[in-house]
Amino acid sequence: DAGVTQSPTHLIKTRGQQVTLRCSPKSGHDTVSWYQQALGQGPQFIFQYYEEEERQRGNFPDRFSGHQFPNYSSELNVNALLLGDSALYLCASSLSEEQFFGPGTRLTVL
Amino acid sequence: AQTVTQSQPEMSVQEAETVTLSCTYDTSESNYYLFWYKQPPSRQMILVIRQEAYKQQNATENRFSVNFQKAAKSFSLKISDSQLGDTAMYFCAFMKHDYNTDKLIFGTGTRLQVFP
Repeated sequence: DAGVTQSPTHLIKTRGQQVTLRCSPKSGHDTVSWYQQALGQGPQFIFQYYEEEERQRGNFPDRFSGHQFPNYSSELNVNALLLGDSALYLCASSLSEEQFFGPGTRLTVL
Repeated sequence: AQTVTQSQPEMSVQEAETVTLSCTYDTSESNYYLFWYKQPPSRQMILVIRQEAYKQQNATENRFSVNFQKAAKSFSLKISDSQLGDTAMYFCAFMKHDYNTDKLIFGTGTRLQVFP
């Protein structure tokens, strides 16, 4: 089992650009959650997908959007990037209460 | 709204010694989960231990154990026989017990350094 995988590992963008991050869940998991972890902080919940629908959303603007595919993989899209969007983006998959995390995507906005 | 507080930004311990990391939380929920996650420099968040609020018995996983005080809303992590590989950021997290998987609410973390 490959566990949760995320791509790309690192990404550098400039302000105003758009970015797409990808996540493949652990085999058998149907729920994907996304978190933003700013430097020196704990992860903050962005949103969660289940059965291709956004089930919950944290306190993030509409510039953050997502998608879940029939194979349960997921994408996180961020439009009109701001410097403050620079962070580690973590994806977690789950089937029950235990969430398994991927290695994250480090996004740097210049 | 639920909050999680970790008041120790950094801790250090000598190899083979015992260290305790503190965590307090605030919630009006009666049924929930509490977790400790470890995040080494590789960035991968790894579950260390979890506690279900309705269970009075403290969870234990090998060298890791918790002291869960529900009334005080306290959830500390004890690491016994510390090893160099325990060096990492440790996050305390709260999850409401729901029919579906709920979101995790994290504290700000404690950086643990284990030295020889």
